[in-house]
Amino acid sequence: QQQVRQSPQSLTVWEGETAILNCSYEDSTFDYFPWYWQFPRESPALLIAIRPVSNKKEDGRFTIFFNKREKKLSLHITDSQPGDSATYFCAASPTSGGNYKPTFGKGTSLVVHP
Amino acid sequence: ETAVFQTPNYHVTQVGNEVSFNCKQTLGHDTMYWYKQDSKKLLKIMFSYNNKQLIVNETVPRRFSPQSSDKAHLNLRIKSVEPEDSAVYLCASSPDWGDTLYFGAGTRLSVL
Repeated sequence: QQQVRQSPQSLTVWEGETAILNCSYEDSTFDYFPWYWQFPRESPALLIAIRPVSNKKEDGRFTIFFNKREKKLSLHITDSQPGDSATYFCAASPTSGGNYKPTFGKGTSLVVHP
Repeated sequence: ETAVFQTPNYHVTQVGNEVSFNCKQTLGHDTMYWYKQDSKKLLKIMFSYNNKQLIVNETVPRRFSPQSSDKAHLNLRIKSVEPEDSAVYLCASSPDWGDTLYFGAGTRLSVL
């Protein structure tokens, strides 16, 4: 059973365009949603995160939109740069309840062409 | 420098051998994890420890066993490696349950 789903699997945009990465989840106990990015030959690292008390989180060119009712969130990357080319993982975890498993989606591979 | 440190970076071995990977975090976190990342970049949690107590033990083969001497160290031993064990093994730590994960550089295992 896949708890966290991501789409698309891969995405190609031109420099300057907005890239939109989607994520959905099933477990209602999830209440922390970090996005990690991973560059080739490196480990995942935190990019931006949101908790359900907010429906939007912004950090520079990166914005998370969160819809708790539909259990969906999306990562928008505005003015995409070639240096944004990486694999993006949506993750989810509960902060209470005993299910202590940070769960990752399968990732979206983003390529930004100059 | 505070971070998550893993050794070795790479390890090549043959089927049936035993291997051990080490992980140490200097971030003062209470929780540590082992993840396996396969060639398709899928991240699967294997184990997690909170203050030396095993909290989550996913259904990994019995040849895998975590070992922790204190909350800053979490090692992984594979008793008799199989070809499907070839992957990158990522150690991570977090301040608390459900918090941000900080990953080490990973150990790439190749089983011939």
